[in-house]
Amino acid sequence: IQMTQSPSSLSASVGDRVTITCRASQTIGNYLNWFQQKPGKAPKLLINTSSSLQSGVPSRFSGSGSGTDFTLTISSLHPEDFATYYCQQSYSSPLTFGGGTKVEIK
Amino acid sequence: VQLVESGGGLVQPGGSLRLSCAASGFTFYDYAMHWVRQFPGKGLEWVSGINWNSVNIDYADSVRGRFTVSRDNAKSSLYLQMNNLRPEDTALYFCVKDPTPDSSAWGDFDYWGQGTLVTVSS
Repeated sequence: IQMTQSPSSLSASVGDRVTITCRASQTIGNYLNWFQQKPGKAPKLLINTSSSLQSGVPSRFSGSGSGTDFTLTISSLHPEDFATYYCQQSYSSPLTFGGGTKVEIK
Repeated sequence: VQLVESGGGLVQPGGSLRLSCAASGFTFYDYAMHWVRQFPGKGLEWVSGINWNSVNIDYADSVRGRFTVSRDNAKSSLYLQMNNLRPEDTALYFCVKDPTPDSSAWGDFDYWGQGTLVTVSS
């Protein structure tokens, strides 16, 4: 299953609302996870099963979607949110990731 | 939860390496484990998964037949034997914990190590 993220990068300011989209090449139900990766660090699981926020993840992060189209929304960008975000499907093997969206400071 | 990888390094094409991952802070034998790699261009690729008792194992097509995953629950350790390495295997290899024990519902990668770098070059 191919995962396509858009955009591949974006520039935004602190306080902005940011939306990242992820599209699967076939239906995956809600088996969609979102990760955040900061430079020099391992990816961190933010959201699983499309919309379930992991413990400790700020509520400004939210996920939605099912089937083939998904979104990650950051309601108000904080300085620590500048990072690269990846989607990943856990519907079937091989488990696959999107190409990533780099969120940069405008 | 702590996952510490080791065993990476520089190897010539066609060579072999064995990666290890030492796990602590959780009951290792209760969970499936995975290897995920990140290429220099930053793309992520799932490499292999192994369920709690090593009965269910799966690989990416790109490594099937060349890589072998294993685990030692008594030592809380995960391994990846990599043979016939190719330049395109150059990547940072992460040891990753799954929140479920088996392959029927695996794939939510809840904890990651810091990775070990494998470079395949002559």
